[in-house]
Amino acid sequence: GAVVSQHPSRVICKSGTSVKIECRSLDFQATTMFWYRQFPKQSLMLMATSNEGSKATYEQGVEKDKFLINHASLTLSTLTVTSAHPEDSSFYICSARDQTNYGYTFGSGTRLTVV
Amino acid sequence: GEDVEQSLFLSVREGDSSVINCTYTDSSSTYLYWYKQEPGAGLQLLTYIFSNMDMKQDQRLTVLLNKKDKHLSLRIADTQTGDSAIYFCAEGLKGGGNKLTFGTGTQLKVEL
Repeated sequence: GAVVSQHPSRVICKSGTSVKIECRSLDFQATTMFWYRQFPKQSLMLMATSNEGSKATYEQGVEKDKFLINHASLTLSTLTVTSAHPEDSSFYICSARDQTNYGYTFGSGTRLTVV
Repeated sequence: GEDVEQSLFLSVREGDSSVINCTYTDSSSTYLYWYKQEPGAGLQLLTYIFSNMDMKQDQRLTVLLNKKDKHLSLRIADTQTGDSAIYFCAEGLKGGGNKLTFGTGTQLKVEL
């Protein structure tokens, strides 16, 4: 089945630094990937839609200069949290649309802690 | 609107059936999904149903869709302790750029 690999699974960084999270589709091509943020005991909030070869589409209220998304190939999208602050601490999850089963395959998530 | 709501918590005994409910407001949804999330992990697709279907069964899982009432349910037969997790329903909207809108999530606790 479709597999999406997300790395790192957990990262701790200092305030003011940047962190890059990778999302790879391992056995299929994904022209579109999605980045979500999840707060404890809450649902997933869509941050942006990552489009291969073009600019990402950000949801309302999400700062595009803070959450940089790059989708340079059909199998890789990256999310960079720039100048991280403690309020950016969260669980970030990516997903990709697998056209063969009408489903969205999710990565295993990245727990970001900014200290 | 795109509000998708679920009850927050459900507790059942091992071996009983679990029914998790979901209500949505956007009638243009084309697919409806159920995902399972275990602690600290990503989401696992359990099943999905097309909006023109009423019911879908897949082993222990049965999905019922009442499009008139915009109500979706997931029934888990013979619930096991390994089924303890948070369950999210989600709708994929026609013309929504393939975006999913997730429900609030239901935490299922299976007791011995």
